[in-house]
Amino acid sequence: EPEVTQTPSHQVTQMGQEVILRCVPISNHLYFYWYRQILGQKVEFLVSFYNNEISEKSEIFDDQFSVERPDGSNFTLKIRSTKLEDSAMYFCASSELASTADTQYFGPGTRLTVL
Amino acid sequence: ELKVEQNPLFLSMQEGKNYTIYCNYSTTSDRLYWYRQDPGKSLESLFVLLSNGAVKQEGRLMASLDTKARLSTLHITAAVHDLSATYFCAGKTDSWGKLQFGAGTQVVVTP
Repeated sequence: EPEVTQTPSHQVTQMGQEVILRCVPISNHLYFYWYRQILGQKVEFLVSFYNNEISEKSEIFDDQFSVERPDGSNFTLKIRSTKLEDSAMYFCASSELASTADTQYFGPGTRLTVL
Repeated sequence: ELKVEQNPLFLSMQEGKNYTIYCNYSTTSDRLYWYRQDPGKSLESLFVLLSNGAVKQEGRLMASLDTKARLSTLHITAAVHDLSATYFCAGKTDSWGKLQFGAGTQVVVTP
């Protein structure tokens, strides 16, 4: 069964450093998303992406964040200068272009730890 | 903005008994989703509820949607240990938009 994959599974970084989180969405899906979940809290939307541009972004997704689809398979989230409060689990999700089959499928997540 | 509230936030279940998790949402939601999350793991899609009166069942789990009451329920029948997890409901205000999650209900099933 097709699945969303994410790398790395765990990333440890120093405050102020840049990190890139990588995702490979399900191959025939056209809508891509990033969410994050701070430990013990609910899942929060960061950004959605379609047709090589951002469709919607949340207040969390400030100038320090960016997303890119550098090739036909990868979808990346970059945090330019990490802060302690960026420590969280980051989930990538994708959905296919069909009005009755728009479940978002989530990847296994990347745990980001900022020291 | 769509707000989604779940209750209870924690549910201790005895094996063999029935329980219900409630999910209320604040404005018209295009559809309602239920996800399961095991500790340290990703979110697994359980159900998508598309219209008023929709009912879906999978094993011991049954989800329903009442759009007039802005309420979805997840009913667990004869709880078993394997159902221990956190259950999230989420709403969406358009077909392709963001999911707005509830806080989650942590379920622990004990003998």
